[in-house]
Order: sequence, then structure tokens, then C-alpha cells
Amino acid sequence: AQTVTQSQPEMSVQEAETVTLSCTYDTSESNYYLFWYKQPPSRQMILVIRQEAYKQQNATENRFSVNFQKAAKSFSLKISDSQLGDTAMYFCAFVYQGGSEKLVFGKGTKLTVNP
Amino acid sequence: NAGVTQTPKFQVLKTGQSMTLQCAQDMNHNSMYWYRQDPGMGLRLIYYSASEGTTDKGEVPNGYNVSRLNKREFSLRLESAAPSQTSVYFCASSGRDRGGGNQPQHFGDGTRLSIL
Repeated sequence: AQTVTQSQPEMSVQEAETVTLSCTYDTSESNYYLFWYKQPPSRQMILVIRQEAYKQQNATENRFSVNFQKAAKSFSLKISDSQLGDTAMYFCAFVYQGGSEKLVFGKGTKLTVNP
Repeated sequence: NAGVTQTPKFQVLKTGQSMTLQCAQDMNHNSMYWYRQDPGMGLRLIYYSASEGTTDKGEVPNGYNVSRLNKREFSLRLESAAPSQTSVYFCASSGRDRGGGNQPQHFGDGTRLSIL
């Protein structure tokens, strides 16, 4: 069974600085997707970024980028130029490609951006 | 675009009461899901439906039932609510891209359910 571990329950960063959130996962599969979801205080679940395991290039979405290390089963999220609106819970998630579409979530990291 | 719509947004029940949470999506997705979110636990899958007419248990199915009424709608029922079912419930849906890969799940805004 796949598991996703986020080892940092809480983190904080100053506005305009860079922060990296960690995620590791365990799977015997070779084809899968990884996601980072953001959950602000409004409670909505918002997709931040997606990475296909077969792609070597790290995904990037504006200020958000990932460091995907397939051999190490690591998928960290880097947020550059942090903004107050980035304050949220961040969840790492895994799904096997092509089979069941069940997402497996980590327990989340609470990120606070301080002014 | 409505996306995934959940009703109600808030509900308070007494122990032993029954309730159905409704979910509808307008993205023509085949797969739909129900999760519960508890503090420090992330999101845990209760039930999912890979297509109309099929449902399967997730990680925490006890105390719940589901119905995939049609492709758009997937309801979650608590037959006899218990305080341990106090949680935030999320419905989600997803499809596949042209290559057959799993698209990201789209989530509703959640239902905060309190059982007294």
C-alpha cells in the first residue's frame, strides 16, 4: 500500500522569502502522479502543482516548484517570494497512474507566512 | 462553472439521527469520492465510485453508506450518527486525460458536520 509522509507539521516563513515543504512516499509502482494541494482557512482544496513520475523535469507553476527525486521517493514543494495569501495547510498526495484513482494524502503541513 | 457542489455546508445532528450529504459534479467525470478530514489526520477516503453503478470502500467506511445515483451525483449517508463522525466531509471527482492518466481530483467546499 502506498503511504505519504509529511514530516513537518508546521512551518513559518517571512513574507518574500522562500520556503520548502517536504514530502516522501512509499510505493512499489513505477507509474504514478504526485500532487500538492493547498487548503486555506476557507477550507477549499486547491490544486497547486502536479508531477508525472515518468517526467524527469520538475514541475513549475509561477512561484511554486517541486524537487522530484524518484529514486529517493521525495517530492518537496518550494514556494518562492512567499505571500500572505500562501498561508494554508499544504497536502502532498499520490495516485497510481492508470489504475484506481484513489488519492493517498499526507497529513499536511501548516504554513504561516508572516508579514 | 460550478465544479463540485456539496450540500449542506453545515449541519448539527443528535446521536442516532440519520442524514444524507449530497454531492453533484458537472464536469462529466467518471470517478467520485467522499473523504473526511479530522485535525492532524489529513483526508481519509470513506468511499469512492469509479463509474456510475459501482462503489467501493475506502480507508474508513464503517458507519457510512453511499449511492451513485447517476454520473453526476454521489451521496453519503449516515444511518445512525455517532459523535466520532463529527468531521469535515469533502466530495471530489476526477476523470482521465486523453492518454488515460489520472487527472487531479476536484473538490467541493466541504460540509462541517457536528454530532452531539
